[in-house]
Amino acid sequence: EAGVVQSPRYKIIEKKQPVAFWCNPISGHNTLYWYLQNLGQGPELLIRYENEEAVDDSQLPKDRFSAERLKGVDSTLKIQPAELGDSAVYLCASSPQGFYNEQFFGPGTRLTVL
Amino acid sequence: AQTVTQSQPEMSVQEAETVTLSCTYDTSESNYYLFWYKQPPSRQMILVIRQEAYKQQNATENRFSVNFQKAAKSFSLKISDSQLGDTAMYFCAFGTFSQGAQKLVFGQGTRLTINP
Repeated sequence: EAGVVQSPRYKIIEKKQPVAFWCNPISGHNTLYWYLQNLGQGPELLIRYENEEAVDDSQLPKDRFSAERLKGVDSTLKIQPAELGDSAVYLCASSPQGFYNEQFFGPGTRLTVL
Repeated sequence: AQTVTQSQPEMSVQEAETVTLSCTYDTSESNYYLFWYKQPPSRQMILVIRQEAYKQQNATENRFSVNFQKAAKSFSLKISDSQLGDTAMYFCAFGTFSQGAQKLVFGQGTRLTINP
């Protein structure tokens, strides 16, 4: 079974440029998470989807960050415009619906903003 | 709000030794899970072990075991017979039930190095 796929693995951009990250969850997983992981820190939840619906986006900086999950499968996280402080790893995870189910993580996208 | 604290930023042991990673948490919830995740240099987070708060028996998974002290809000991970492949960042996480699914709060991590 294929795991969570993310692309690109690395992205370098200049500040004020837009950037987008893509995530393909494990087939059949209704729940999808985007996390931000700063260097030397644990992941922090940005947004969670149940199918197409964003059910927890309280930690998403909505002035510059946006996300979508069309058709309840793939998801895209966008930053526009990027700032120096956005340099981090962006992790995607998915799980079957329900509290008891394990979250499976992708390899993440490392973003560097110059 | 829940907080998770890992007080050991880095640890280093020799191969085959036993090592214990510490984690404390703060919560007013009564129903929750606790997890240890491993993140190797490849960055992919892997679940190592989990513990249900309502269970008194400590969880074990092969060489990995936990010491769950609910009253003290402590959740340590013991790795026995450590192997070179155990070298990674280890994150303790607290899981609650929120709006129909699991919500995780992670600690700051402990960088574990196993030396040959």
